Amino acid sequence: NAGVTQTPKFQVLKTGQSMTLQCAQDMNHEYMSWYRQDPGMGLRLIHYSVGAGITDQGEVPNGYNVSRSTTEDFPLRLLSAAPSQTSVYFCASSYRRGPGQPQHFGDGTRLSIL
Amino acid sequence: GQQLNQSPQSMFIQEGEDVSMNCTSSSIFNTWLWYKQDPGEGPVLLIALYKAGELTSNGRLTAQFGITRKDSFLNISASIPSDVGIYFCAGDTSGTYKYIFGTGTRLKVLA
Repeated sequence: NAGVTQTPKFQVLKTGQSMTLQCAQDMNHEYMSWYRQDPGMGLRLIHYSVGAGITDQGEVPNGYNVSRSTTEDFPLRLLSAAPSQTSVYFCASSYRRGPGQPQHFGDGTRLSIL
Repeated sequence: GQQLNQSPQSMFIQEGEDVSMNCTSSSIFNTWLWYKQDPGEGPVLLIALYKAGELTSNGRLTAQFGITRKDSFLNISASIPSDVGIYFCAGDTSGTYKYIFGTGTRLKVLA
């Protein structure tokens, strides 16, 4: 059981480049989300999805796009990378049924923007 | 926006000691979660709390959902070196799955 898989694990970009961070889960979870983690801070929600075809913004959505064409996949796109987007990005998923379902996290993508 | 204050920010303890940390919020939460993050990995869920006053254990870990619904506590008994890591609390205010995370408590255990 792979759980939540994120690729790549590391990436270096130049300012202005675009890229897609991949996230896949094999637990048939309806809910998926993307967070960023910066030094000394907790995780901040970027975007989330409650099911295929449905996405919504979190706390810090600017500069990022998402789509949810399947239950399994939830890619995060950086449209034009900026140094402020240097961070560790985590994808998480959970069941949607019932209140307060705990989230399962991937191991993260470490992204540096030069 | 909503904030979670987590304390202490960091702590050094001797192996075998008990550890306490807490989170407080300006808002009422319906769910409290406690995670541990090891270096280079994603957070791993330790304990989930769903009712005010609830006390839940997971091995040497015990967490409580405060009766005011604005705070939660995590205790680790008889700490061991593998307890080292960052502990995060997270809360959900309305079942919207938009969890708010605390800034973490970094725990270091001295053997």
